[in-house]
Amino acid sequence: AQKVTQAQTEISVVEKEDVTLDCVYETRDTTYYLFWYKQPPSGELVFLIRRNSFDEQNEISGRYSWNFQKSTSSFNFTITASQVVDSAVYFCALSENRDDKIIFGKGTRLHILP
Amino acid sequence: DADVTQTPRNRITKTGKRIMLECSQTKGHDRMYWYRQDPGLGLRLIYYSFDVKDINKGEISDGYSVSRQAQAKFSLSLESAIPNQTALYFCATSDGALRDYGYTFGSGTRLTVV
Repeated sequence: AQKVTQAQTEISVVEKEDVTLDCVYETRDTTYYLFWYKQPPSGELVFLIRRNSFDEQNEISGRYSWNFQKSTSSFNFTITASQVVDSAVYFCALSENRDDKIIFGKGTRLHILP
Repeated sequence: DADVTQTPRNRITKTGKRIMLECSQTKGHDRMYWYRQDPGLGLRLIYYSFDVKDINKGEISDGYSVSRQAQAKFSLSLESAIPNQTALYFCATSDGALRDYGYTFGSGTRLTVV
């Protein structure tokens, strides 16, 4: 069965520090899709990235980067030089190829302290 | 107007009352989903629909029902609300090419059952 584990329930860092959010997934499929979503204090869900299982290239978007490693079934998210506006709950999620449902991890609440 | 609109945004209701949460979309997507979010539990799938005649139970469908009135409308009902159904509810849509960008989410409905 598919499963997403975000072991870090809550993280606090001081502004400008780098922070990595961990995500470990389980799936039987060889084709699957991984996502990260951000939920700021306002409550909406914001799509950050999608990665398919055949693309293990790391992705960088500004201060955000993602490290996908199939060998360890991990899809970790790093924020470089964090800012207070990065404070949010971040969800890692998985969809198997056979299925159009997204399964979410429990989320990591990130506090960036000024 | 938002692509996916949920009404109401906030609702307080009493135990035992019937309540309906509504979702409408202008994306033209066939697939619609209802999730609930509880602190520390992430998002869990309640029901989903791949077209007007296709309704499927998700992970936590007990105590809920849905109606797909049209391609653009997908309503979630709590027949007899109970306090542990207090949560943030999200509607989402997908065009079936889920792999490209995941879902489009509504802004959420915060439901409190007293």
